[in-house]
Amino acid sequence: GQSLEQPSEVTAVEGAIVQINCTYQTSGFYGLSWYQQHDGGAPTFLSYNALDGLEETGRFSSFLSRSDSYGYLLLQELQMKDSASYFCAVRDNTGGFKTIFGAGTRLFVKA
Amino acid sequence: NAGVTQTPKFQVLKTGQSMTLQCAQDMNHNSMYWYRQDPGMGLRLIYYSASEGTTDKGEVPNGYNVSRLNKREFSLRLESAAPSQTSVYFCASSERTGSYEQYFGPGTRLTVT
Repeated sequence: GQSLEQPSEVTAVEGAIVQINCTYQTSGFYGLSWYQQHDGGAPTFLSYNALDGLEETGRFSSFLSRSDSYGYLLLQELQMKDSASYFCAVRDNTGGFKTIFGAGTRLFVKA
Repeated sequence: NAGVTQTPKFQVLKTGQSMTLQCAQDMNHNSMYWYRQDPGMGLRLIYYSASEGTTDKGEVPNGYNVSRLNKREFSLRLESAAPSQTSVYFCASSERTGSYEQYFGPGTRLTVT
C-alpha cells in the first residue's frame, strides 16, 4: 500500500527558515507535491518534484530524494501568513494515477 | 473564471437522509476528484473521474456514489448518511489524471447527526 509520514506540528519564529520533512512508501511513485491549507480554506498547490533535487519557487523550495523515499519543503523568511497546514502528496500510478496525501504538518509562526 | 465551485457550503443531515454535493469547474479540465478531510488527517480520495463518462473508486468509496454529468460537473451522493460521514468534502480538478497540480473548491462542511 501507500503511506506518507510527516511531523504533526512545527513551530518557528518570523523571519526564520523551517524545513518540513516527508517520507513516503508507495509502489508506483511518480512525483511528490506540496500543498498549503489555511484554516477553513482549501488546499492550494505549492510545488512538485518528479526528479531528485531542489526546486525553488520564491521563498519556498522543495527537495526530493527518490532513493531515500524522502522529500522536504523549505520555507524561508517566514511570515505570519505562512501559519497553515502543509501536506505532502505522492502521485502514484498503480491502477491509474492517484494522489495520496499525508496527514499534514501544522506550522505555527511566532512573532 | 471561478475555478472550482461547490454547493452547498454547509449542510446538516440526520442519519439516513440523502443528499447530493455539487461541484463544477470552468477550467476545461478533464479530471475531477472528490476528497474528504477529517480533523488531523489528510485528504482521502473518495472517487475520481479521469475524463467525462468515466468514474473510479478511490481509497474510501463506501457509502458514496458519483456522477460525472458532463465535462464541467461532478456530483457526490450520499444515499443514506451516517455520523461517520461527518467531514469536510473537497472537490478538485486537474487537466488530466497525470497532472501534478490539482485545483480545489472551497469545500462543503457536512454534519450528520
